[in-house]
Amino acid sequence: NAGVTQTPKFRVLKTGQSMTLLCAQDMNHEYMYWYRQDPGMGLRLIHYSVGEGTTAKGEVPDGYNVSRLKKQNFLLGLESAAPSQTSVYFCASRTGSGSQYEQYFGPGTRLTVT
Amino acid sequence: SQQGEEDPQALSIQEGENATMNCSYKTSINNLQWYRQNSGRGLVHLILIRSNEREKHSGRLRVTLDTSKKSSSLLITASRAADTASYFCATVTTTQGGSEKLVFGKGTKLTVNP
Repeated sequence: NAGVTQTPKFRVLKTGQSMTLLCAQDMNHEYMYWYRQDPGMGLRLIHYSVGEGTTAKGEVPDGYNVSRLKKQNFLLGLESAAPSQTSVYFCASRTGSGSQYEQYFGPGTRLTVT
Repeated sequence: SQQGEEDPQALSIQEGENATMNCSYKTSINNLQWYRQNSGRGLVHLILIRSNEREKHSGRLRVTLDTSKKSSSLLITASRAADTASYFCATVTTTQGGSEKLVFGKGTKLTVNP
């Protein structure tokens, strides 16, 4: 049981390049989330999904797109990377529809945009 | 926007001492969760306290919730060097649309010196 995994772990992009971050979970969770973490800012929600084929915007969605074609995978895309998107990105998942369920986090992807 | 704000931002103590971290929030909540993040890792759920609960224990952790003051505290007793990490509170609230969202604070960085 690997839990939540993220690919890649590190990436350096040049301004204007595109990339996709992959999140995979093997816990059959319905809900999946993408956050970014910046120094002194805590975690901010980018996009989330409440089930296969559905996505919704979070607090800071601009410049990002997501897809949830399979229940176990949640992809985060950057179409045209900007230096402001330099951050550590975390994926999380949880089960159920109730708020009492904890979120399980992946190890993070450290992205630098030059 | 941050819902929960931790205090202090940083805390340094000696092994064996107790560590107390506080979290204040602004609006009514459904529940409040505490997470831990080791350096370079993802967040790990520690404990959840519901809005109708006042205190909860889990091992060396004790969480209190005062909804009248909109605040929570996390106490780690008999701290160990391995407790060195950042600790985040996260509040779960119901949005105007009826969905629930989890919002993280900026965290308290705890250092436990051997």
